[in-house]
Amino acid sequence: GDSVTQMEGPVTLSEEAFLTINCTYTATGYPSLFWYVQYPGEGLQLLLKATKADDKGSNKGFEATYRKETTSFHLEKGSVQVSDSAVYFCALHGSSNTGKLIFGQGTTLQVKP
Amino acid sequence: EAGVAQSPRYKIIEKRQSVAFWCNPISGHATLYWYQQILGQGPKLLIQFQNNGVVDDSQLPKDRFSAERLKGVDSTLKIQPAKLEDSAVYLCASSFLRQNTEAFFGQGTRLTVV
Repeated sequence: GDSVTQMEGPVTLSEEAFLTINCTYTATGYPSLFWYVQYPGEGLQLLLKATKADDKGSNKGFEATYRKETTSFHLEKGSVQVSDSAVYFCALHGSSNTGKLIFGQGTTLQVKP
Repeated sequence: EAGVAQSPRYKIIEKRQSVAFWCNPISGHATLYWYQQILGQGPKLLIQFQNNGVVDDSQLPKDRFSAERLKGVDSTLKIQPAKLEDSAVYLCASSFLRQNTEAFFGQGTRLTVV
């Protein structure tokens, strides 16, 4: 069945460092891909998405490109801030309107000043 | 617009007791999800509804968990009897019936089974 695998955390960076969080997926057909973020004490919220191969999703300085050839959707940011400290989840929605929405295990990011 | 509402926010019960969680999705959202999130893990899909029909419940422990979505709007998730390993945050989410749209999440219910 469909699945999502993320790099294990926690990831600890200094402010202004470059961030990459790896995400790979297994799915039949053409899923939509998402990154969700959970800030401390808050609920899950969408960070960005891409719905077809080679699409790039972007928001708040974060980017991720849907790579079908490598079945990947890695999250990147050029310069992280302390306020980016959160748990990041990669997710996929199966390739139909009734497909399942499934999540990776999450990666905790800690940014130190 | 109003978000996804869940109640209660917190619940502590003894093992073998029963518990129910309630979710009110965003108006107009046909798809409703229930997830179990154990501390340090990603959300695990328990059941997915399309209107009031079940799309997927393959990971729902049906010997103790049940869920319903009456009239295609509100939903309840019940656990009977609870086990210690059911301690987790139970998340409800909803979305439009389209593959490429985001799901909106409620704040969740934190269940502690003692």
